[in-house]
Amino acid sequence: ETGVTQSPTHLIKTRGQQVTLRCSSQSGHNTVSWYQQALGQGPQFIFQYYREEENGRGNFPPRFSGLQFPNYSSELNVNALELDDSALYLCASSLRQGDGNTIYFGEGSWLTVV
Amino acid sequence: DQQVKQNSPSLSVQEGRISILNCDYTNSMFDYFLWYKKYPAEGPTFLISISSIKDKNEDGRFTVFLNKSAKHLSLHIVPSQPGDSAVYFCAASDTGSSNTGKLIFGQGTTLQVKP
Repeated sequence: ETGVTQSPTHLIKTRGQQVTLRCSSQSGHNTVSWYQQALGQGPQFIFQYYREEENGRGNFPPRFSGLQFPNYSSELNVNALELDDSALYLCASSLRQGDGNTIYFGEGSWLTVV
Repeated sequence: DQQVKQNSPSLSVQEGRISILNCDYTNSMFDYFLWYKKYPAEGPTFLISISSIKDKNEDGRFTVFLNKSAKHLSLHIVPSQPGDSAVYFCAASDTGSSNTGKLIFGQGTTLQVKP
């Protein structure tokens, strides 16, 4: 039990649609990161939010966007879905930036784009 | 550009024996390395880490070795147990430049420990 919960656990969307994935972080964790894990690959960093502002972004296009709320919950939004967006999306929260030891991952949201 | 590589997709060992999982990296700016374990339908869980100022870190049955000159690290599990069967990810971070805590993951190695 990591204290990080994600919803929904599974969903299917059509190409061109938009999707919102949600994450509830551990209480007090002011840093949240999102990762995309394609089948057979390791997680890839999408972006990180610190105190409600984006603080670091991986090699993902602008149609991937996010929000972090004062209660430390967060969202990942993906517009104009493409087939290659099909993956497991992982939310990770931590108390401090750069502290790999205390990064807690949720179970992920499986997105299938058809 | 795969900056962190785990070249063995799978590994099978007998219970009680040693499991050795390997990881190579290319970016010399990486200064912090971590191993994560992932069971099906769960998120990755932190296992052990090592800073670039060390060459070994031990925690119970788990030991991580770092060879900076070879840009190589390995995770040793001794003795291996069936409950260790999972996917193991190596991850690296450059804590100096941006302090975002961005982790670069390898592709993972599936470990199977046979009873």
